[in-house]
Amino acid sequence: QKEVEQNSGPLSVPEGAIASLNCTYSDRGSQSFFWYRQYSGKSPELIMSIYSNGDKEDGRFTAQLNKASQYVSLLIRDSQPSDSATYLCAVNGNTNAGKSTFGDGTTLTVKP
Amino acid sequence: DARVTQTPRDKVTEMGQEVTMRCQPILGHNTVFWYRQTMMQGLELLAYFRNRAPLDDSGMPKDRFSAEMPDATLATLKIQPSEPRDSAVYFCASGLVRGHLNTGELFFGEGSRLTVL
Repeated sequence: QKEVEQNSGPLSVPEGAIASLNCTYSDRGSQSFFWYRQYSGKSPELIMSIYSNGDKEDGRFTAQLNKASQYVSLLIRDSQPSDSATYLCAVNGNTNAGKSTFGDGTTLTVKP
Repeated sequence: DARVTQTPRDKVTEMGQEVTMRCQPILGHNTVFWYRQTMMQGLELLAYFRNRAPLDDSGMPKDRFSAEMPDATLATLKIQPSEPRDSAVYFCASGLVRGHLNTGELFFGEGSRLTVL
């Protein structure tokens, strides 16, 4: 079992729809959770971080965390073609090391 | 505009040659990471440093890979000898960890694409 699991996709949604990306993790002591966006041929870019249970909203993005279920998700509202990318879930363990373990990513395509 | 700088951006070399990749972390960041990304394995952590001290290099093949941080503005990843299976994109990332404030947010460089023939 991988430490961080994501559906590889591809996930395709029409422009204007809500895209839902999911991630599960195995380390119950994990403290910090992140979503990175990676365009093809580019480097990962941090778009959301979440540290406590519940929802965190930033513009069109909402991160949701449920530590009991070891589950974190990212919702993208009003999806745009420019949101087409691979989204990487990253999880930090319960040590003060700042070390992130990444999932393999979900590729999202938003069709005009 | 603070950013992580990596060199070279692209490197093509022949099997058996030495390869050195360099990274300049964001000024003030105290943690530096080396990741490798391939289609098959995704993002793998190779090594990381805190305040220039190596914390973990368990993800790195020790017989051929070495990582150092000679000063706060330079991290290096060396492969000697290189093999075709080392072909990948190597990312450097930096972050700031302060005491209990373990945010873990990472800022990535543009990567070094390595092709070993």
